[in-house]
Amino acid sequence: DVKVTQSSRYLVKRTGEKVFLECVQDMDHENMFWYRQDPGLGLRLIYFSYDVKMKEKGDIPEGYSVSREKKERFSLILESASTNQTSMYLCASSLRRQGKSGAQYFGPGTRLTVL
Amino acid sequence: KQEVTQIPAALSVPEGENLVLNCSFTDSAIYNLQWFRQDPGKGLTSLLLIQSSQREQTSGRLNASLDKSSGRSTLYIAASQPGDSATYLCAVGGGAQKLVFGQGTRLTINP
Repeated sequence: DVKVTQSSRYLVKRTGEKVFLECVQDMDHENMFWYRQDPGLGLRLIYFSYDVKMKEKGDIPEGYSVSREKKERFSLILESASTNQTSMYLCASSLRRQGKSGAQYFGPGTRLTVL
Repeated sequence: KQEVTQIPAALSVPEGENLVLNCSFTDSAIYNLQWFRQDPGKGLTSLLLIQSSQREQTSGRLNASLDKSSGRSTLYIAASQPGDSATYLCAVGGGAQKLVFGQGTRLTINP
């Protein structure tokens, strides 16, 4: 079974802090994704990566950055946390086959609260 | 721009009934379509993936169909159980390996 793990289930930070969210997958997937999920807005893609050291902006990259130094690990960084970044953050990974994406598998999520 | 719609937003049915959840999308040029379930406060669990060349996929009591030409997919749940209560999300895979999600249908199965 595919396993995607996230470093924290719940996190509370203060405005202006630098926040790191980490995601690890154990299935040698090429693609990794970071989403945020908010009531009424659904899931929105922040960033994704299709290979080590590669990253692409999603729909809402402002205020975020990412790092992918190893294939299995994809980190989301909030450079200076703000209250409007309070959200559920979900990481996912997928296999890339012949240029197309396989099924995406999600981690358990991190509920981040910024005070 | 791809848009994915799931109607209804919420559905409540008695235990034991068969039911259908609907998903529609605006751009038929898709690579695949994936159905997920999400329990409150949790991550998404992948249920079924249908490739663009396929018409349906089955897993246990679940059957998902895909009609690209009409921009529709359905998730059929047979003999529903209280444990099936969750939010069901449909997501369409297009270019650049990305998924576009619907808003979900919140399903409640009443014992």
